[in-house]
Amino acid sequence: EVQLVESGGGLVQPGGSLRLSCAASGFTFSNYWMTWVRQAPGKGLEWVASIKRDGTQTFYVDSVKGRFAISRDNAQNSLFLEMNSLGAEDTAVYYCVRDVTLSVVSRWYFDLWGRGTLVTVTS
Amino acid sequence: DIQMTQSPSSLSASVGDRITITCQASQDISEYLHWYQQKPGKAPNLLISDASKLETGVPSRFSASGSGTHFTFTIASLQPEDIATYYCQQSDYLPPTFGQGTKVEIK
Repeated sequence: EVQLVESGGGLVQPGGSLRLSCAASGFTFSNYWMTWVRQAPGKGLEWVASIKRDGTQTFYVDSVKGRFAISRDNAQNSLFLEMNSLGAEDTAVYYCVRDVTLSVVSRWYFDLWGRGTLVTVTS
Repeated sequence: DIQMTQSPSSLSASVGDRITITCQASQDISEYLHWYQQKPGKAPNLLISDASKLETGVPSRFSASGSGTHFTFTIASLQPEDIATYYCQQSDYLPPTFGQGTKVEIK
C-alpha cells in the first residue's frame, strides 16, 4: 500500500525541540521531492519545508528558517523534520506529503498525504 | 508571498445543489492552481490539479476552471459525502500558498 506514516509529535515546552519522522512505503521514495505541511488547530494549511529527491536542496517557509531542518534517508525511506526553538505558533498537525512529480524539478503540489502528527507547544 | 483568497469562507447547501467556490490570487499564477478536499479529521486529498484537471478517481460532479488570478471550483450536485473543507493552492511561486479554506455543509 502506498502510504506515509508520521511519528514523533507530542507535547513540548516553548523553546524546546522535537524531531518528526515519516515512513514511506509502497513507492520509490527516492524518486520524489518530499514536503512537510502543517495545520494549526482549526486553521488552514501552511507549507513548511521541502527537500529534493537526493537531499541536496531544501526550502523553508520564512517563519521556520534557522529553526527547522528537513532531511531524508532514502535508504530507509524516511523523511525527517528537526524542529528547534519551538513556540506556540508552531502548534499544529504536521503532515508528511509527496510531490506529484517524478521530475528533477518539484511541481510544488502534493498527491499523497500522511495522517499527520500533532505537535503541541505549551508550558 | 502570493496571497490566495477564497470565498465564501463557508457555505450551507442542500443535497443536489450546485455550489461554486472562488479563489483569487494576488498575482498572475497562470494555471498553477490546485484544489484539495479535507474531510473532518482527515488529511487533505488532491482533487483537481493545474486549474482544471480532475485527478483519477474523483467523481465527475467536481470541476474547476480559471487562469491568471481568478479561479472557480464547482460541485455540480452536492452529495452528503462532500461535506468537507476545500482549499486552493498555488504552485507558481515559492512558497506554495493555500487559500484559507471553504467549509461546505449540508443544509
